Amino acid sequence: QVQLVQSGAEVKKPGASVKVSCISSGFTFATYDHAWVRQAPGQGLEYMGRVSPYSGYTNYAQKVQGRVTVTTDTSTNTVYMELSSLRFDDTAVYYCARVGRDDYMDVWGQGTTVTVSS
Amino acid sequence: QSVLTQPPSVSGAPGQTVTISCTGSNSNIGARYFVHWYQQLPGTAPKLLIYSDANRPSGVPDRFSGSEPGTSASLAITGLQAEDEGHYYCLSFDSNLPGFVFGTGTKVTVL
Repeated sequence: QVQLVQSGAEVKKPGASVKVSCISSGFTFATYDHAWVRQAPGQGLEYMGRVSPYSGYTNYAQKVQGRVTVTTDTSTNTVYMELSSLRFDDTAVYYCARVGRDDYMDVWGQGTTVTVSS
Repeated sequence: QSVLTQPPSVSGAPGQTVTISCTGSNSNIGARYFVHWYQQLPGTAPKLLIYSDANRPSGVPDRFSGSEPGTSASLAITGLQAEDEGHYYCLSFDSNLPGFVFGTGTKVTVL
């Protein structure tokens, strides 16, 4: 079935980097963009970035531009999100999602908790 | 700060109808970019509820409906049920950013 499976929880110190992976299955990976969304504790959903496995096109939210990099590995159907210079307020659950034809996120990963703590 | 504004909370008794608004501007909803709606139950990933303004994915009950008048979109839940309690978010695209933008989120409480 169509699913996205993310890597496990991470605990990082301020200033470090984190790289979260998302493995897609059940559909043709290269034909769908993928996006990353995060949710801080008790807060709403926040868009972070998007990538096209087919063209390599990326788009990043202004708030994290310069610190976030979204990449793909088409040989393993995997999308990666790397966030650098981590701050305490980067503590959140990070979700990957498949982007449908009309720019809706129709399939979501289970979420990866990233905790930034000294 | 999100550019799509939703009421923080709405509530209703079982069987009633509640409506959630998603107010944007001429660079997102008003520019005719599609609006999509998500339901997030406690401790779970968001679930697509309505896509492209008013379409339901397979498996979503027809109690959920979406509409998009002008620079505001709305989600209606008719025949409210206890299992509908959770948070609801709208999603669209903003040409000024440019990029995706989520609404501020609405907590639905079934009384």
